[in-house]
Amino acid sequence: GAVVSQHPSRVICKSGTSVKIECRSLDFQATTMFWYRQFPKQSLMLMATSNEGSKATYEQGVEKDKFLINHASLTLSTLTVTSAHPEDSSFYICSAGHSGANVLTFGAGSRLTVL
Amino acid sequence: GEDVEQSLFLSVREGDSSVINCTYTDSSSTYLYWYKQEPGAGLQLLTYIFSNMDMKQDQRLTVLLNKKDKHLSLRIADTQTGDSAIYFCAENSGYALNFGKGTSLLVTP
Repeated sequence: GAVVSQHPSRVICKSGTSVKIECRSLDFQATTMFWYRQFPKQSLMLMATSNEGSKATYEQGVEKDKFLINHASLTLSTLTVTSAHPEDSSFYICSAGHSGANVLTFGAGSRLTVL
Repeated sequence: GEDVEQSLFLSVREGDSSVINCTYTDSSSTYLYWYKQEPGAGLQLLTYIFSNMDMKQDQRLTVLLNKKDKHLSLRIADTQTGDSAIYFCAENSGYALNFGKGTSLLVTP
């Protein structure tokens, strides 16, 4: 079946630094990937839609200059949290859809802790 | 997830059936989904139902869809302790998904 891999699974960084999270579709090509954010005991909130070869589409309220998304190939999208602050600490999950499929496959998530 | 509503907690005894309910608002949703999330993990797709169906059964899982009332339910038969997790229902909003806040299922021995 379709597999989506996220790396790193956990990252701790100091305030003010930037962190990059990778999302890879391992056995299929994904022209579109999605980035979600989940606060403790909360639902998943869509942050942005990552489109291969073009700019990402951000949801209202999500700062595009803070959450940089690059979808350089059909199997890789990256989310960079720039100048991270403690309030950016969260669980970030990506998902990708196989062309023609009805379902999205989710990565295992990346837990970011900003000190 | 404010457009998708779920009860937050459910506690059942091992061996009983669990029923998790969900209401959604987007009548144009083509598919509705149930995902399972174990502590510290990502989301695992359990099952999904096409909007023109009213029931889907997959082993211990039964999904019921009332499109008129925009109500979705997930029934887990013979619930086991390993079923303890958070269950999210989701509707597709275009290609992305819109999630409820999740129902935390606790299965007690």
